[in-house]
Amino acid sequence: AQSVTQLDSQVPVFEEAPVELRCNYSSSVSVYLFWYVQYPNQGLQLLLKYLSGSTLVKGINGFEAEFNKSQTSFHLRKPSVHISDTAEYFCAVSGGNTPLVFGKGTRLSVIA
Amino acid sequence: DTGVSQNPRHKITKRGQNVTFRCDPISEHNRLYWYRQTLGQGPEFLTYFQNEAQLEKSRLLSDRFSAERPKGSFSTLEIQRTEQGDSAMYLCASSLAQGQIYGYTFGSGTRLTVV
Repeated sequence: AQSVTQLDSQVPVFEEAPVELRCNYSSSVSVYLFWYVQYPNQGLQLLLKYLSGSTLVKGINGFEAEFNKSQTSFHLRKPSVHISDTAEYFCAVSGGNTPLVFGKGTRLSVIA
Repeated sequence: DTGVSQNPRHKITKRGQNVTFRCDPISEHNRLYWYRQTLGQGPEFLTYFQNEAQLEKSRLLSDRFSAERPKGSFSTLEIQRTEQGDSAMYLCASSLAQGQIYGYTFGSGTRLTVV
């Protein structure tokens, strides 16, 4: 079975500052990893995904994530955040043909 | 294609009543998933279908919960004899068969409030 731990429930950051949202996963098989964003009263939108190959994955809205197999991590980063990035961010894992398992989420608050 | 559509967006019901939610997936997606999301938590997997076949239902929260996908198109999630603890956002998602590669497309959810 797979599981995901998002290490920070809330991350406040000033506008134009860099941010990192941390995610660790657990799995006994090879995994596929995802980051989703959820704006208030909306569904989840895919930011980026890691399937194989390059460990640095680029997504939409200037976000990127790095897969680290030895540390079983998949941290999300953005070099300069905007007010519009304020949202809930979810890390998710799938192993083989199993449905996505989500973490509890990290609330990113961008302060003007 | 306008994406995954869920109806209603909001539902308020009295405890003990039955409720049914509908999900219309992206037309070419043959997989459909139901998740529940409570306040401050991530989505929790409930069940999923490939076409009309329900491939996993052991995660449904109790025997009061059931889901169908007749003809492999839209799906319904029913909760019988609702309880206050059922109050949550119910999310539907769809994907191609290799959803773990392409990712899921989520609807906007149905927010259920049981009073």
